[in-house]
Amino acid sequence: NAGVTQTPKFRVLKTGQSMTLLCAQDMNHEYMYWYRQDPGMGLRLIHYSVGEGTTAKGEVPDGYNVSRLKKQNFLLGLESAAPSQTSVYFCASTARLAGEQFFGPGTRLTVL
Amino acid sequence: AQRVTQPEKLLSVFKGAPVELKCNYSYSGSPELFWYVQYSRQRLQLLLRHISRESIKGFTADLNKGETSFHLKKPFAQEEDSAMYYCALEGGSTLGRLYFGRGTQLTVWP
Repeated sequence: NAGVTQTPKFRVLKTGQSMTLLCAQDMNHEYMYWYRQDPGMGLRLIHYSVGEGTTAKGEVPDGYNVSRLKKQNFLLGLESAAPSQTSVYFCASTARLAGEQFFGPGTRLTVL
Repeated sequence: AQRVTQPEKLLSVFKGAPVELKCNYSYSGSPELFWYVQYSRQRLQLLLRHISRESIKGFTADLNKGETSFHLKKPFAQEEDSAMYYCALEGGSTLGRLYFGRGTQLTVWP
């Protein structure tokens, strides 16, 4: 099992460009999450999904959109990237409430 | 509202010394509390959770509801314990959402 994978690992964007980050899990987990990690801020939840076809806003959703068309995939989109979105993005999944969250390796995004 | 506070951004100890990473939370109900760890160049992973009441890699954490704390402790720190540690809370109708503290970077010197 690959667990949780993220694509790409690194990306540099110019302000105003768009991109999509892909998260895939092969553990048949219902719940999936996107976090951003910034120095001194810990992990903050961007969006999450409690099942295929459902998404919900987290703590810092502005500037991002998500989709969960397939149970195993959770996509995070940036429509018009801004320098404030420079961060490390982590995807996670879990099978149940209060269960262990399994994290991906992260995507380092720089917006110039 | 749920909140997790880790008052120490950085913590340094020498090998063999005891270590305590502090975590305080605010939540009106009965929370589920976790410690996650991120070693250098590795992904975030669960270290332990309060409901299991187990010791992982020599670490323990006790939930103190009176003081709303969930401090992580180890009696004899090792160099390989150097990592970023995050305390996290899940509670109520948050549908599996974890609220993370800002993290404590632990460095264990030889």
